[in-house]
Amino acid sequence: GAGVSQSPRYKVAKRGQDVALRCDPISGHVSLFWYQQALGQGPEFLTYFQNEAQLDKSGLPSDRFFAERPEGSVSTLKIQRTQQEDSAVYLCASSLAFIGDSYNEQFFGPGTRLTVL
Amino acid sequence: QKEVEQDPGPLSVPEGAIVSLNCTYSNSAFQYFMWYRQYSRKGPELLMYTYSSGNKEDGRFTAQVDKSSKYISLFIRDSQPSDSATYLCAMSRSGFQKLVFGTGTRLLVSP
Repeated sequence: GAGVSQSPRYKVAKRGQDVALRCDPISGHVSLFWYQQALGQGPEFLTYFQNEAQLDKSGLPSDRFFAERPEGSVSTLKIQRTQQEDSAVYLCASSLAFIGDSYNEQFFGPGTRLTVL
Repeated sequence: QKEVEQDPGPLSVPEGAIVSLNCTYSNSAFQYFMWYRQYSRKGPELLMYTYSSGNKEDGRFTAQVDKSSKYISLFIRDSQPSDSATYLCAMSRSGFQKLVFGTGTRLLVSP
């Protein structure tokens, strides 16, 4: 079956431009996460949605970062006035809703590699 | 200091070797411990997870968690060139919350 898809796969932006990154989660997955992975580092949490509700945005590095999931399916991560330090791979992950004590596996997409010049 | 520490490597081993990867952490609230594998230009994929302390085995892979020492390990037996990837440890407070990752260890298995 189809996994998590992200688009575009690669994005080059000039400093100061706005960018929008899209995530299509696995159908039926209630939870959606965004992570940022800098070169040579592990992914770092940005924000979390349960359906259309943004329940945790504590990882967003500044108010230039904004995420939405208006219909509880596709999500968009928007970065305004991009800076060089925003260059990273942005990963999206989705999982089923909370089920007991089991780990609800987060399935990751391939990521969007953002380069800010 | 990061919540999760992991040696970035690279770790180079010959085919057939036993590989030991590990992470330490500082937050005693973590209850779920995962190992993800990430190939170049791909997203992480789950290898194994363990709830609380103990061991778990799946084929050539064994995961160990020692909560008293805040130390987790992943062992790979009979390593193959196809195991060459970056191995990320990850932890969470519950089964459905955000993951906190280590830096990742790059593993190279030579034929």
